[in-house]
Amino acid sequence: KQEVTQIPAALSVPEGENLVLNCSFTDSAIYNLQWFRQDPGKGLTSLLLIQSSQREQTSGRLNASLDKSSGRSTLYIAASQPGDSATYLCAVRRTNAGKSTFGDGTTLTVKP
Amino acid sequence: GAVVSQHPSRVICKSGTSVKIECRSLDFQATTMFWYRQFPKKSLMLMATSNEGSKATYEQGVEKDKFLINHASLTLSTLTVTSAHPEDSSFYICSAPQENGQPQHFGDGTRLSIL
Repeated sequence: KQEVTQIPAALSVPEGENLVLNCSFTDSAIYNLQWFRQDPGKGLTSLLLIQSSQREQTSGRLNASLDKSSGRSTLYIAASQPGDSATYLCAVRRTNAGKSTFGDGTTLTVKP
Repeated sequence: GAVVSQHPSRVICKSGTSVKIECRSLDFQATTMFWYRQFPKKSLMLMATSNEGSKATYEQGVEKDKFLINHASLTLSTLTVTSAHPEDSSFYICSAPQENGQPQHFGDGTRLSIL
């Protein structure tokens, strides 16, 4: 059974800092990994999707890496802003159109 | 724009009421949809897999008679919380996967509050 862990559970940083969020998974036989953002009381916003054959994906100030063999992914946020404050979730899928298994998330607070 | 539409976004009702939540895929067909539940400050837990034209597959510990799922068409799945009680209060969210490695799309969720 796939298990996804995210560390740390919570993170507070001053504005402008670069930061890294970690995601690990127990079964390396994944199809892809997706990072989401969730604001309080809201749904999920997809940030980055990494296919199992890829090593990283970038979008603006965000960079996600994937090391499938070691079961790890990181989300790097550059020059953090207060608007980045949210909970960040990673999710892995085993098959093309299969279900997602989520980590518990990292709640990020960026202080002005 | 949204590719998965979930309705309603918020429901407040009395204990004993049955509540129906709809999940629609927009501009694509979804033979499979997933229903998740999220408790406060917790992650999303898969409740069931909705299969078009056949019975839903429920995860262990999820009551089939409590959470009725119907996937009557290739673009619509519904989750009905029957005789809802306060412990059913939660955030429910659906997703509809597209094939070919596309990102999984999620609805905006339904906040259910049972008084």
